[in-house]
Amino acid sequence: ILNVEQSPQSLHVQEGDSTNFTCSFPSSNFYALHWYRWETAKSPEALFVMTLNGDEKKKGRISATLNTKEGYSYLYIKGSQPEDSATYLCAFRNYGGSQGNLIFGKGTKLSVKP
Amino acid sequence: AAGVIQSPRHLIKEKRETATLKCYPIPRHDTVYWYQQGPGQDPQFLISFYEKMQSDKGSIPDRFSAQQFSDYHSELNMSSLELGDSALYFCASSSRELAGGGQFFGPGTRLTVL
Repeated sequence: ILNVEQSPQSLHVQEGDSTNFTCSFPSSNFYALHWYRWETAKSPEALFVMTLNGDEKKKGRISATLNTKEGYSYLYIKGSQPEDSATYLCAFRNYGGSQGNLIFGKGTKLSVKP
Repeated sequence: AAGVIQSPRHLIKEKRETATLKCYPIPRHDTVYWYQQGPGQDPQFLISFYEKMQSDKGSIPDRFSAQQFSDYHSELNMSSLELGDSALYFCASSSRELAGGGQFFGPGTRLTVL
């Protein structure tokens, strides 16, 4: 059974703090790793799609790295702001899965206090 | 930019009734996915379609069926509804031409079964 683990489950930081969290996934038959930002009562927003070992992606203050050999990805937020408060989901797709079948982690819930 | 459209946004049904959820993908997206997110749970993949054919099947109950039409919109039909079917149902779409097959999510349909 393929499993995607995210840690920590929840995170509380002060405005201005930088933070990071982890997504662990099976390292075999890797195809892509997706990061989503999911605010309450909204649909998930695609942040990054990462496909190559060593990939680094950046979007404003948010960046992500990928290590497919050891099966992990880090999401970094620099200088957290209250509007960054959301659940950050990662999702894994392997070659064995059909097109687009993503296996989700349970998410890391980030709360940023002003 | 056009996004994934889902209708209805909210639906209230009684046990043993039927429900039909609709999903309209982003223009030129050829693949549609359905996910179910129960209260406090991570998203579960239900089923996907590529070019109007079922491409993958996840944890979709036998009471549910789905199809993708010639205009690429998809419908999820749910019969003999149970209390446990109360959940957010998300539809996502993607294009095979996109690197990594990134998915874009709709706003979700909240189904409440009484």
